[in-house]
Amino acid sequence: SYELTQPPSVSVSPGQTASITCSGDKLGDIYASWYQQRPGQSPVLVIYQDVVRPSGIPERFSGSTSGNTVTLTISGTQPVDEADYYCQAWDSGTALYVFGPGTKVTVL
Amino acid sequence: QVQLVESGGAVVQPGRSLKISCVASGFTFSNYGMHWVRQAPGKGLEWVAFISYDGINKYYADSVKGRFTLSRDNSKNTMYLQMNSLRPDDTAVFYCAKPEIGAFDIWGQGTKVTVSS
Repeated sequence: SYELTQPPSVSVSPGQTASITCSGDKLGDIYASWYQQRPGQSPVLVIYQDVVRPSGIPERFSGSTSGNTVTLTISGTQPVDEADYYCQAWDSGTALYVFGPGTKVTVL
Repeated sequence: QVQLVESGGAVVQPGRSLKISCVASGFTFSNYGMHWVRQAPGKGLEWVAFISYDGINKYYADSVKGRFTLSRDNSKNTMYLQMNSLRPDDTAVFYCAKPEIGAFDIWGQGTKVTVSS
């Protein structure tokens, strides 16, 4: 089965930059998305098509891609950004949807 | 306002069945395929199943294939997930989600399914 890899946790100081990577052997050819999930809440889409930010998502959230790795960057991280973040891949050819294991972002 | 509302979650015994629902509003439900995603307690997100806009095409995760069945009633803006032969490892919050360009742009609040004797 297809798998995505994320670091279990990332720590960042308020105002600094947090980067979360997601790796998978198809990511160079298929789209990836990112979701933020705060405790007890439903996931919220923060990036889709690797780099596109939905309306209403703060500009400090950005996405990038390089080879088989996609990265979510949170610039000027705020305490409200403390959450779990999941990457998700979509292969339109196979109707494959898969989530990464998630990364817990802690704002110290 | 675009909204998804799940319902029907319950505590059920292993081996029993349960049907959960997702009601959509604020968009043209009949134009969209829809998904179920679940999250076991303390665990990550797991894609479960997809049904096409017309209900003809359905795809399931290997973990639920043969036990779960998707259906929809576009006249009621509602999607259903019939879950049979439930196991303790099916215990999770089940979310319905609307797709948009390979992502899930709208999520419901979730409905909790607990499989326990």
